[in-house]
Amino acid sequence: GESVGLHLPTLSVQEGDNSIINCAYSNSASDYFIWYKQESGKGPQFIIDIRSNMDKRQGQRVTVLLNKTVKHLSLQIAATQPGDSAVYFCAENSRDNYGQNFVFGPGTRLSVLP
Amino acid sequence: EPEVTQTPSHQVTQMGQEVILRCVPISNHLYFYWYRQILGQKVEFLVSFYNNEISEKSEIFDDQFSVERPDGSNFTLKIRSTKLEDSAMYFCASSAENRGRSEQYFGPGTRLTVT
Repeated sequence: GESVGLHLPTLSVQEGDNSIINCAYSNSASDYFIWYKQESGKGPQFIIDIRSNMDKRQGQRVTVLLNKTVKHLSLQIAATQPGDSAVYFCAENSRDNYGQNFVFGPGTRLSVLP
Repeated sequence: EPEVTQTPSHQVTQMGQEVILRCVPISNHLYFYWYRQILGQKVEFLVSFYNNEISEKSEIFDDQFSVERPDGSNFTLKIRSTKLEDSAMYFCASSAENRGRSEQYFGPGTRLTVT
């Protein structure tokens, strides 16, 4: 069943440290994944995506790792900054639905400490 | 940078009333979506729309909901008879055609409060 995310998991990191946010996905048929950042009062913002034919993809200060064997996705943020404080969601998608429907995870709140 | 816009930012309505939430997707995008997020919970898919018809909808999107693209720019979500449990943030998103899957750009959301 779905979890009620009134109390999101929180990750607190010191400014300048690296952050690792994890996500477990449920559908073994999912083959496209996106990490979103959601700041308070705003809509989700695309960070980085990865397709299932890859296990790692790098962007600017961010890296996504995909482990299809255990259905696990992670987002690594290098040199975390105060502006990185937000809720981070992973979203999964499969070809079964022609890419229309993204299923979002419950989210992790990242708190950057000065 | 092009962006998705939504109006109003906050809508308060009484239970049983009809509401229309409006979105202007990015102009060259072909796929349009509505999601909702109940306070403190995860983002949930409602419906996707392509080529002037619904392409997929979730269990949440029942007969009380409808979507329309009345002109070349607007994309609307109508809730015919609002219930208390419809209170949520409603996000519109759009994406370009890219073998059916590409980055979805989200609007800032409309907060719907049903009293």
